[in-house]
Amino acid sequence: QSALTQPRSVSGSPTQSVTISCTGTNSETGGYNFVSWYQHHPGKAPQLLIYDASKRPLGVPDRFSGSKSGNTASLTISGLQAEDEADYYCCSYTGSYSWVFGGGTKLTVL
Amino acid sequence: EVQLVESGGGLVQPGGSLRLACAASGFTFSSYEMNWVRQPPGKGLQWVSYISTGGTSIYYADSVKGRFIISRDNAKNLLYLQINSLRDEDTAVYYCAREPGGYVDLWGQGILVTVSS
Repeated sequence: QSALTQPRSVSGSPTQSVTISCTGTNSETGGYNFVSWYQHHPGKAPQLLIYDASKRPLGVPDRFSGSKSGNTASLTISGLQAEDEADYYCCSYTGSYSWVFGGGTKLTVL
Repeated sequence: EVQLVESGGGLVQPGGSLRLACAASGFTFSSYEMNWVRQPPGKGLQWVSYISTGGTSIYYADSVKGRFIISRDNAKNLLYLQINSLRDEDTAVYYCAREPGGYVDLWGQGILVTVSS
């Protein structure tokens, strides 16, 4: 099972916005709203940012937002801050109790 | 404190076995579905296995099916992953992950498993 497709890297300056895309198939991101996004600082535990494609858990800043259209989910980070520099992963349920992650996107804050 | 702490990793020869454990604390472990997720060096996250709250439903990624066994002890707040017939490609950081339903809301810090002769 191939990973969901994410850009390998994105970058932006402080206060700017960036969007990370995540594309799968009709039976992955296109078939379910069980799409989640995670922030991962290397060496630390990943952190949940978005679940059910667009819902934000308590404690996650509203600078982080998610959306989905067709087979593509997106994570938008507005008002970039230095501490946002990290790896970002999307994840989708694929049915028959199986999950697939994206290949990961490295965000650089310039 | 709400946390998951993995243990049991290390260096093992190809074909060998290890048992990973994940100790849960600060929440009602028996109420949550649990997963193992891994990250090979320089690569992305990979889902490995799932277990339901009572342990009656279990699923595996195709890459580990028949070699890995997930289990849990709700009385001891422990999640396990028995990994057998280890291959080079199983080298990874293994994460214990709590699932409230459809996503992971709590991750452990991860434990490194290195398969090498």
